[in-house]
Amino acid sequence: GAGVSQSPSNKVTEKGKDVELRCDPISGHTALYWYRQSLGQGLEFLIYFQGNSAPDKSGLPSDRFSAERTGGSVSTLTIQRTQQEDSAVYLCASSEDRVYEQYFGPGTRLTVT
Amino acid sequence: QKEVEQNSGPLSVPEGAIASLNCTYSDRVSQSFFWYRQYSGKSPELIMSIYSNGDKEDGRFTAQLNKASQYVSLLIRDSQPSDSATYLCAANRGNFNKFYFGSGTKLNVKP
Repeated sequence: GAGVSQSPSNKVTEKGKDVELRCDPISGHTALYWYRQSLGQGLEFLIYFQGNSAPDKSGLPSDRFSAERTGGSVSTLTIQRTQQEDSAVYLCASSEDRVYEQYFGPGTRLTVT
Repeated sequence: QKEVEQNSGPLSVPEGAIASLNCTYSDRVSQSFFWYRQYSGKSPELIMSIYSNGDKEDGRFTAQLNKASQYVSLLIRDSQPSDSATYLCAANRGNFNKFYFGSGTKLNVKP
């Protein structure tokens, strides 16, 4: 079956612009995670959605970052007023309910110039 | 202090040797531990999970957990050049929501 998909695969934007990154999880997966991976770094947790529960937003680095998940499926991560330090690969992962194994999408490489 | 610490490497081993990758974690509440493999330019893929003290074997891979020492390791037997990748260690407190990842150890297996 289809895996986790993300779009766009690459995004170059000017400092100060807003960007939207999209994640389409595996069908039937109720849990969805967003991570950020900077060059040579591990994955930094950003946000977690589980079904209809309130998301865990504790990893969002600033109020410029927000995410939503519509209909329990597709998720959008929005970064407002982008800064150069936002440049990274943004990874989305999904998993079944109460299962630890996460399946990662291919990521979106964001470059802020 | 980071939640999960790993030596960045690179760790170089000859083909056929055993590669030993290590990870320490700071939060004693952590319950579950994972090893992910990430090829350059690709996304991580889960290769092993371990929840109890001791060893867990899966093919050429063995994960080892010592909760008293807050230490997790991954052994790769009969290393192959295709094992060359960055290996990420992750920990979870048993609540499914937040996973803490180390920065990864780069492994080079030389033919």
